[in-house]
Amino acid sequence: AQKVTQAQTEISVVEKEDVTLDCVYETRDTTYYLFWYKQPPSGELVFLIRRNSFDEQNEISGRYSWNFQKSTSSFNFTITASQVVDSAVYFCALSEFAGGTSYGKLTFGQGTILTVHP
Amino acid sequence: ETGVTQTPRHLVMGMTNKKSLKCEQHLGHNAMYWYKQSAKKPLELMFVYSLEERVENNSVPSRFSPECPNSSHLFLHLHTLQPEDSALYLCASSQTGISPLHFGNGTRLTVT
Repeated sequence: AQKVTQAQTEISVVEKEDVTLDCVYETRDTTYYLFWYKQPPSGELVFLIRRNSFDEQNEISGRYSWNFQKSTSSFNFTITASQVVDSAVYFCALSEFAGGTSYGKLTFGQGTILTVHP
Repeated sequence: ETGVTQTPRHLVMGMTNKKSLKCEQHLGHNAMYWYKQSAKKPLELMFVYSLEERVENNSVPSRFSPECPNSSHLFLHLHTLQPEDSALYLCASSQTGISPLHFGNGTRLTVT
């Protein structure tokens, strides 16, 4: 069975601080995908990144960066120089791969509530 | 216009009512999903429709009945719900092949 653990329930930081959100996953699949989503107060989940299990390169997108380490089954997310607009719930998710016609059956973590204070 | 639109945004219903949640996607995707988000619980996958066929039904009680009349529309029909069914119900769509899910804003359901 697949499982995603986000041990940090809530994080509170002051603007301009860096913050790292942890994600640890469990799966027996050798091919899988990892995702991060952001859920602002408006409710919709916004896709941030997808990473497949064969690509362990870290990725940077503006103030966001992701550190994927298969050895520790972790896919951590860092926000550099946080801003108030980053306040949201962040979800890490895992998806098995079942071939070209597969669909996105995601297993989500419980989410981390990030509050960035001015 | 957002990619995935859900209506209504908020719904309050009694346990004997019948109501429906609607989802529409404008992204040309061929898979649609219902997720339930309860307080302090991970998002739970309820149903998946791929190419308008139901391919996943995660042991959801029969008081929740999905309908997918075409690839752009998805409904969740509700009847004789329980207070513990109060939650945020999120619709999502994707293109098959592990493309990212695109979510709607959700319907906040309160069962009284």
